[in-house]
Amino acid sequence: TQLLEQSPQFLSIQEGENLTVYCNSSSVFSSLQWYRQEPGEGPVLLVTVVTGGEVKKLKRLTFQFGDARKDSSLHITAAQPGDTGLYLCAGASINTNAGKSTFGDGTTLTVKP
Amino acid sequence: NAGVTQTPKFQVLKTGQSMTLQCAQDMNHEYMSWYRQDPGMGLRLIHYSVGAGITDQGEVPNGYNVSRSTTEDFPLRLLSAAPSQTSVYFCASRTEPSGANVLTFGAGSRLTVL
Repeated sequence: TQLLEQSPQFLSIQEGENLTVYCNSSSVFSSLQWYRQEPGEGPVLLVTVVTGGEVKKLKRLTFQFGDARKDSSLHITAAQPGDTGLYLCAGASINTNAGKSTFGDGTTLTVKP
Repeated sequence: NAGVTQTPKFQVLKTGQSMTLQCAQDMNHEYMSWYRQDPGMGLRLIHYSVGAGITDQGEVPNGYNVSRSTTEDFPLRLLSAAPSQTSVYFCASRTEPSGANVLTFGAGSRLTVL
C-alpha cells in the first residue's frame, strides 16, 4: 500500500507568521493534489501539481512538486485566521490504478489572531 | 449546480442495523467514490466506480456494499452496522475515470453506531 506522510500533524501559529507543510512518499506520483477542509464540510481542492519541479502560486499559498515527483510542499506566507483548517495532500502513484488514490493523514492548522 | 449531495447528514444506528448512505451528483461525472474519515487517519477509500455498472474495492471495503445503476447515483450500504463503522463518510466524484485525482466532495455523512 502506498503511503503519503504529512508533517507536521498539528500546527498552531500567530497571524502573520509563515509556515510550510510537507507531503512525502517513497512512491512516484503522476500528479498530486492539495485540499483544504473546514469542520463539517468536505475537502475542497486547492491545486494540482503534475510536472516534477513544478511551482504553483495561489495568492499567499505556494505549492511545489519535487523533482522526482515523490514529495510536495505547501508554503503559506503571512498566515491569516481564515487559513485555519485541515490541509490534505492526495495522489495516485504511477504504479497503481488511478481509481485507488491515497490521502495523507492531514495537517491541522490553527492561526491565532 | 448542486455538485455532490449526500444524505443523511447525521445518522445513529444500533449494532446490527442496516442502512444506506445516499450520494448523487449532477455534473455528469463518470468516476464516483466513497471515503471514510477517522481522527488521525485521513481519508480512506472504501469503494469506487468508473462508470455505471462498474464498481471496485478500495482500501477498506469490508462491511460495505455499493452499486452504480446510473451515472448520477452511488449509494453505500451497510448491511450489519458495527461500532467500528462509526465515522464520517464522504462521497466524491471526478470527470475522468483515469484522470488526475481532482475530486469534488460532498459535505459528508456522520454515522454513529452504538
